[in-house]
Amino acid sequence: RKEVEQDPGPFNVPEGATVAFNCTYSNSASQSFFWYRQDCRKEPKLLMSVYSSGNEDGRFTAQLNRASQYISLLIRDSKLSDSATYLCVVSIRGKLTFGTGTQLKVEL
Amino acid sequence: DVKVTQSSRYLVKRTGEKVFLECVQDMDHENMFWYRQDPGLGLRLIYFSYDVKMKEKGDIPEGYSVSREKKERFSLILESASTNQTSMYLCASSNMGGMSYEQYFGPGTRLTVT
Repeated sequence: RKEVEQDPGPFNVPEGATVAFNCTYSNSASQSFFWYRQDCRKEPKLLMSVYSSGNEDGRFTAQLNRASQYISLLIRDSKLSDSATYLCVVSIRGKLTFGTGTQLKVEL
Repeated sequence: DVKVTQSSRYLVKRTGEKVFLECVQDMDHENMFWYRQDPGLGLRLIYFSYDVKMKEKGDIPEGYSVSREKKERFSLILESASTNQTSMYLCASSNMGGMSYEQYFGPGTRLTVT
C-alpha cells in the first residue's frame, strides 16, 4: 500500500466549477500535511498547509481528518490558471512523502 | 527571493559513466534533499542532509551517493549510470525547526542515460 494515495485524475472541469481532491495516508505518526502544486514541466511549490481545524486561502480550502487519515482540497470558482497537478504531502520530522498527484484541467 | 539552482536542466549520459548533479541554495537552509520523479511513481526521496558533511538515506538510495561539503551545496552522484536512472531529478531545501517544513525546489535536471 502506498504511504500517500491520490486519485490521479485527470479532472476536466469547466471554468467556474468547484472541484474537490482527496488523499489518504497510511502512517498515523504523520505530523504535518500539505498541498503542493506542480505546473507542467516545473518544480513543485507549496500551495498550503493543512490543519485539523481546516484552513482557507481565497478560493482554496483544505481539511484534515486525523481519525480517518484523510486530507482534502476544495477549489471554488476554478480558473484556467488552476490547471496543474496537485500533490498531497505528509511529513514526519521534516521528511516529506509525496502522493503521485491529481491532475486538474480547467477548460473554457 | 528564495532560490534553489541546479547545474543542468537537461543531461544525456552513457551507461557506466559517473554523473554529478549539483544543487545550490542561497537561503542559508540547513536541510537539503534529492528526489527523483517518475510518471506514476511521484517524487521519491533518494538522500537528504540536515547539516554539512551529514547525510541520510532516503527511500531509494541504491546506486546513488551524495556529498555536502558546504552548507549551500548538495551534490548527487551516480557512480555508474544505468538506464533505469533515467529520470527527472529535483533538489530541495528547507529550514530546520518549525512545523511548516516547506521545501523549496530547484527547477530539476532531466537525466537521460543511454
